[in-house]
Amino acid sequence: EPEVTQTPSHQVTQMGQEVILRCVPISNHLYFYWYRQILGQKVEFLVSFYNNEISEKSEIFDDQFSVERPDGSNFTLKIRSTKLEDSAMYFCASCRDRGLETQYFGPGTRLLVL
Amino acid sequence: SQQGEEDPQALSIQEGENATMNCSYKTSINNLQWYRQNSGRGLVHLILIRSNEREKHSGRLRVTLDTSKKSSSLLITASRAADTASYFCATVYQGAQKLVFGQGTRLTINP
Repeated sequence: EPEVTQTPSHQVTQMGQEVILRCVPISNHLYFYWYRQILGQKVEFLVSFYNNEISEKSEIFDDQFSVERPDGSNFTLKIRSTKLEDSAMYFCASCRDRGLETQYFGPGTRLLVL
Repeated sequence: SQQGEEDPQALSIQEGENATMNCSYKTSINNLQWYRQNSGRGLVHLILIRSNEREKHSGRLRVTLDTSKKSSSLLITASRAADTASYFCATVYQGAQKLVFGQGTRLTINP
């Protein structure tokens, strides 16, 4: 069964450093998402992406964040200058049809900012 | 906040018993999805129920949706130790595409 994959599974970085989180969505899906979950808290939406552009973003997704689909398979989330409060589990998800179908989640990248 | 509450926040039952978790939301939805998360791991999709559906089944899982009360429930029958996890409901509101998650219910199945 196709699944969403994410790399790395864990990343430790110093405050102020740039990180890139990578995702490979399910191949025939057209809508892509990033969510995050701070330890012990609920899952929060960051951004959705369709047709090579951001379709929706949350207040969390400020200028420090960017997303890109550099080729036909990868979907990346970049945090330019990490802060301590960016420490969280970051989930990528993909979906076949906007808002109407199941969103399938990857296993997540656990980011720790020191 | 668009998302309401899930209750209970924590539930502990004996293996073999049924577990029921509830979720409420605040405005009209396209669909509601239930996910399971084992400690510190990814989100596993369980069931999607659309706004025009009232009940869906998948194996030992039964989900109901009451749009008049803006609530949903997830029933796990004949629970097993492996069902121990956190369970989240997440809604897609009309006109939107993002999932809005609740706080989740921590389910513990005691052998």
